[in-house]
Amino acid sequence: GESVGLHLPTLSVQEGDNSIINCAYSNSASDYFIWYKQESGKGPQFIIDIRSNMDKRQGQRVTVLLNKTVKHLSLQIAATQPGDSAVYFCAELNTGFQKLVFGTGTRLLVSP
Amino acid sequence: KAGVTQTPRYLIKTRGQQVTLSCSPISGHRSVSWYQQTPGQGLQFLFEYFSETQRNKGNFPGRFSGRQFSNSRSEMNVSTLELGDSALYLCASSALTGKSTEAFFGQGTRLTVV
Repeated sequence: GESVGLHLPTLSVQEGDNSIINCAYSNSASDYFIWYKQESGKGPQFIIDIRSNMDKRQGQRVTVLLNKTVKHLSLQIAATQPGDSAVYFCAELNTGFQKLVFGTGTRLLVSP
Repeated sequence: KAGVTQTPRYLIKTRGQQVTLSCSPISGHRSVSWYQQTPGQGLQFLFEYFSETQRNKGNFPGRFSGRQFSNSRSEMNVSTLELGDSALYLCASSALTGKSTEAFFGQGTRLTVV
């Protein structure tokens, strides 16, 4: 599809496994950190966000962890399904600027 | 509730031409942002509009411009097209209620410059 690049890091997992996607961010002043999922031919879709004063937030089958000491963000997907196959982007948001700064993305491939 | 609509979906233009892309945000959303997505540079912020005013601009040349209308619909224009402008152009709308950071993206316009 047209949405993703050709040289993204790829994480391959089996259906039912837990997946962990990592991201390093650059701006300590960002207010929020957000994960987006992009399927082929579609625009990015919001998954979950975490405010900068938190270190963990859980959603449905997903958990985001924020480590501000090392500027690291991770997305954990429980019981990964084939429908989770997509490119995942982390993004930083400074609400004062309303500008998303995206990471490079990770391709998740889920095998049945 | 209708999502973000971008038109056209695909466009082929020749170097030197100009192009206008359109974005209709979700009803009630007043913030519209534009992003360029390429394999080499990833997703990069172009600009953001709120209530017809450009509030932020990314690091793109002046050939890239935009505007927002009173109904929140937005257009972006690229003049004097270059081969490197070939990309997927994405529009996102946000409610900016203070309760959510969620930006809703359209499917994008795939621009090919030949």
